[in-house]
Amino acid sequence: KAGVTQTPRYLIKTRGQQVTLSCSPISGHRSVSWYQQTPGQGLQFLFEYFSETQRNKGNFPGRFSGRQFSNSRSEMNVSTLELGDSALYLCASSFGPGPEEAFFGQGTRLTVV
Amino acid sequence: KNEVEQSPQNLTAQEGEFITINCSYSVGISALHWLQQHPGGGIVSLFMLSSGKKKHGRLIATINIQEKHSSLHITASHPRDSAVYICAVRYNNDMRFGAGTRLTVKP
Repeated sequence: KAGVTQTPRYLIKTRGQQVTLSCSPISGHRSVSWYQQTPGQGLQFLFEYFSETQRNKGNFPGRFSGRQFSNSRSEMNVSTLELGDSALYLCASSFGPGPEEAFFGQGTRLTVV
Repeated sequence: KNEVEQSPQNLTAQEGEFITINCSYSVGISALHWLQQHPGGGIVSLFMLSSGKKKHGRLIATINIQEKHSSLHITASHPRDSAVYICAVRYNNDMRFGAGTRLTVKP
């Protein structure tokens, strides 16, 4: 059974640009969550999607957005990139929302220059 | 103050030693997760707990809901256990993370 797949693995963008990251969950999983990890702030929750609906959102500006498709694949978008957006972006999938065991992808390492 | 506090921040052990990593939290939670992150970034979920104790191989996780405290134990530690261990709690449909414990096991 394939794991959680995140693409791309590495990305370099320039300040002011926008970026879209993709997450394909484990087959059968309908919940996808996104997290940002930086050396200074550690891991922080971005948002959670279940059945194409955003259930929860962390404390991030509106430049950070996401969506989930009918096949449970999810994308997150960051517009008007800032240097501080450089981070490892991780997604995790689970069968359903709420307190369920989560399976993480390898992450997308975004560098903003 | 962070809702999730882990200790110690760093831990160095000799192969074979018994390891304990602690996690304290200050909010009411619906579940607590222990995660393992190796260099390179990939995260593996080790345990999800809402009460009691779970065991998987050499790893044991316990939680005391009344005391808002959880521990992760590694018996007979091995160099391949070297990683960052992260405690995460789920509350109010949100996830909050500890800063992590960097474990180094020397042969």
